Amino acid sequence: GAVVSQHPSWVICKSGTSVKIECRSLDFQATTMFWYRQFPKQSLMLMATSNEGSKATYEQGVEKDKFLINHASLTLSTLTVTSAHPEDSSFYICSAGASGDVRLVETQYFGPGTRLLVL
Amino acid sequence: GNSVTQMEGPVTLSEEAFLTINCTYTATGYPSLFWYVQYPGEGLQLLLKATKADDKGSNKGFEATYRKETTSFHLEKGSVQVSDSAVYFCALKNTGFQKLVFGTGTRLLVSP
Repeated sequence: GAVVSQHPSWVICKSGTSVKIECRSLDFQATTMFWYRQFPKQSLMLMATSNEGSKATYEQGVEKDKFLINHASLTLSTLTVTSAHPEDSSFYICSAGASGDVRLVETQYFGPGTRLLVL
Repeated sequence: GNSVTQMEGPVTLSEEAFLTINCTYTATGYPSLFWYVQYPGEGLQLLLKATKADDKGSNKGFEATYRKETTSFHLEKGSVQVSDSAVYFCALKNTGFQKLVFGTGTRLLVSP
């Protein structure tokens, strides 16, 4: 099956620093990747959609300068939380979708998530 | 706009009990419907899906039927296990788009 990995799985950082989270599709090419944020006991909130080689599309209310997304290749997207603050502490999840492979066109495959704690 | 409504949890059951988690949706067109499961400390995993009316998705003993007339996609399992304890998310996606719309999730707790 399609596998998506995230790195790191856990990160603790000091307030004011930047943190980069990687999302990789291991056995398929992901033309589109999605970044979600999940608050405790709540649903996933879509932050942005990125297509390989183009700028990400951010959802309303998400600061694009705060959450930098880069999708430089068909297997890698990165989310950088810049100048992180305690309120950015959350569980960040990526997912990857593809076109051209009928098995994948109707689904997204999710990474295991990255838990960020900003002190 | 598109939306998904799930029953609030937690749902607490004893092992081998029958499970139903309700999910209804509002959407334009004919969306595909999904159930995802999130085990503690892990990301979401696709559990089952249905892409058109009257389709039944099934996996690992779970099943859900796409009911267009009631705009529902309720998740059922005949006999739950302790290992089924997780959060279950209902979601939809419109044809031609890849953006998923999630419900708020329902936590299932199964005791021995």
